[in-house]
Amino acid sequence: GAGVSQSPRYKVAKRGQDVALRCDPISGHVSLFWYQQALGQGPEFLTYFQNEAQLDKSGLPSDRFFAERPEGSVSTLKIQRTQQEDSAVYLCASSHQGGPYEQYFGPGTRLTVT
Amino acid sequence: GESVGLHLPTLSVQEGDNSIINCAYSNSASDYFIWYKQESGKGPQFIIDIRSNMDKRQGQRVTVLLNKTVKHLSLQIAATQPGDSAVYFCPGVGKSTFGDGTTLTVKP
Repeated sequence: GAGVSQSPRYKVAKRGQDVALRCDPISGHVSLFWYQQALGQGPEFLTYFQNEAQLDKSGLPSDRFFAERPEGSVSTLKIQRTQQEDSAVYLCASSHQGGPYEQYFGPGTRLTVT
Repeated sequence: GESVGLHLPTLSVQEGDNSIINCAYSNSASDYFIWYKQESGKGPQFIIDIRSNMDKRQGQRVTVLLNKTVKHLSLQIAATQPGDSAVYFCPGVGKSTFGDGTTLTVKP
């Protein structure tokens, strides 16, 4: 079966541009997570959805970051007015039950802001 | 809140040897623990999990040990292979705080 997919895999943005990163979770998975991973570091939690409800967005670093999952399946992470410090790999994960239990990760989107 | 930490940032072993990666946690109420492996250029991959009502769980070539008394868990990999070279994480529950992981390098 298909795993979690993310697109694009690579994105180069000029500073100040807006970007949208897409995540297609495993079909039927209730929970969806977004993480930010800087080079050489572990994933840092950004936000968590259970179905279409965003239950936790405490990890979003600023109000330039916005995530949605309007129909409880596909999710989009949007970053407005990108800054160089936003350069990182953005990982999406899904889980078939609520809470941070076994998560299935996508390959990530590598964002480079120039 | 929960904090987890891996004892060593890097571990280098000879192919065929056994590897032990350690992790400590602070929240004694934690009831579930997971180990993930992340290879270069990929997302983390689930390896094995354990609930707090167990002290040991075995998978294929991997064993996780949980010591609730000292709030410590370890991942043991038997007969380590080059394909085991990766970064290993033991995130806490709640917000899945991953920490920076332990980088395992397997020397041929």
